[in-house]
Amino acid sequence: DQQVKQNSPSLSVQEGRISILNCDYTNSMFDYFLWYKKYPAEGPTFLISISSIKDKNEDGRFTVFLNKSAKHLSLHIVPSQPGDSAVYFCAASAQAQGGSEKLVFGKGTKLTVNP
Amino acid sequence: DADVTQTPRNRITKTGKRIMLECSQTKGHDRMYWYRQDPGLGLRLIYYSFDVKDINKGEISDGYSVSRQAQAKFSLSLESAIPNQTALYFCATSDGLYSNQPQHFGDGTRLSIL
Repeated sequence: DQQVKQNSPSLSVQEGRISILNCDYTNSMFDYFLWYKKYPAEGPTFLISISSIKDKNEDGRFTVFLNKSAKHLSLHIVPSQPGDSAVYFCAASAQAQGGSEKLVFGKGTKLTVNP
Repeated sequence: DADVTQTPRNRITKTGKRIMLECSQTKGHDRMYWYRQDPGLGLRLIYYSFDVKDINKGEISDGYSVSRQAQAKFSLSLESAIPNQTALYFCATSDGLYSNQPQHFGDGTRLSIL
């Protein structure tokens, strides 16, 4: 049973526009959420996170929104740049279920930003 | 130099062979993890260690074993490799001093078992 779902395997946007990547989760115990970016032949790189006590966290061009009632989070990238082209993984953890270090990952969404 | 180093980066071997993947880190983190990534399946946790004396099974530990030789080193072994263990393997670390710290990943080992 998949606890973290990224239902869009791929997304294509134009440079300068907004990229919105979505993630849904089923485990109501999840209280910490992260986004990772992965380039080919490299390991995932931490991008941004959000705790369940917040509904928004912003870092430069990247903003993560959390809707707890819908069990949904999204990553907004504005403006999108060609260098943002990568696979994006959503991950979640539950402090009460092994701690914030046990991450459950989604399958990833491949973002392509066209010049 | 990379903070989390995995060796080898690529390995091709035969069914039944014993394989060891190694991970070392210079971040000074207590916590280390092994994941595997299969196409279309994201990352799945194999084993994790919160310190040298603490080893825990993850979601998919069958067929694997680990050794935490020191704070900085965490190795993953496949005692008798089988083809469905062909995957991309990642090591990660995190700082156990504070909660909700992100994990930092190595660049992976691509393992092919024929």
